[in-house]
Amino acid sequence: ETGVTQSPTHLIKTRGQQVTLRCSSQSGHNTVSWYQQALGQGPQFIFQYYREEENGRGNFPPRFSGLQFPNYSSELNVNALELDDSALYLCASRVLAGGTGELFFGEGSRLTVL
Amino acid sequence: EDKVVQSPLSLVVHEGDTVTLNCSYEVTNFRSLLWYKQEKKAPTFLFMLTSSGIEKKSGRLSSILDKKELFSILNITATQTGDSAVYLCAVVPFNTGTASKLTFGTGTRLQVTL
Repeated sequence: ETGVTQSPTHLIKTRGQQVTLRCSSQSGHNTVSWYQQALGQGPQFIFQYYREEENGRGNFPPRFSGLQFPNYSSELNVNALELDDSALYLCASRVLAGGTGELFFGEGSRLTVL
Repeated sequence: EDKVVQSPLSLVVHEGDTVTLNCSYEVTNFRSLLWYKQEKKAPTFLFMLTSSGIEKKSGRLSSILDKKELFSILNITATQTGDSAVYLCAVVPFNTGTASKLTFGTGTRLQVTL
């Protein structure tokens, strides 16, 4: 148990639709990041939020967007879904200032795009 | 761009065997290297390595970092079926603002058979 919870656990969408994934961070952790893990691959960094602002982004197009709320929960939104967006989406949290490099991951949301 | 290469991609061993998993990396402003175990969904933290030559141990698992040759190994002795998982290696850059931007390898899939 890492204290990071994600919802939903599984979902199926069709191409062109939009999806919102949710994450509740571990208590005391004020930084949240999102990763995409395609089948057979390692997680890839999407973006990071600190104090409700995006402060780091990987090589993902603008149709991937996010929000962080004052209670440190977070959302990942993906618009205009494509087949290649099918993946496990992982949320991770850590304490930014003075923390170690360790991230605490949630169980993930498995998205299937048909 | 930061890069992490893990080998082997997969291996099958018998219970009781010892295995060595490899991780080589290229990263600007290296801060730390992390090992995670991923059984189903959430990667779970194993070790964080920051200094060369200092072995980290946890039960039957141990890991060491060589910052000169840019690699790390993860050893598992007396393997058990519960060790079956994907083992992920990730590097962390030395920049607090992007400290959550881990670059992962593709992982090594370990299967331990009876």
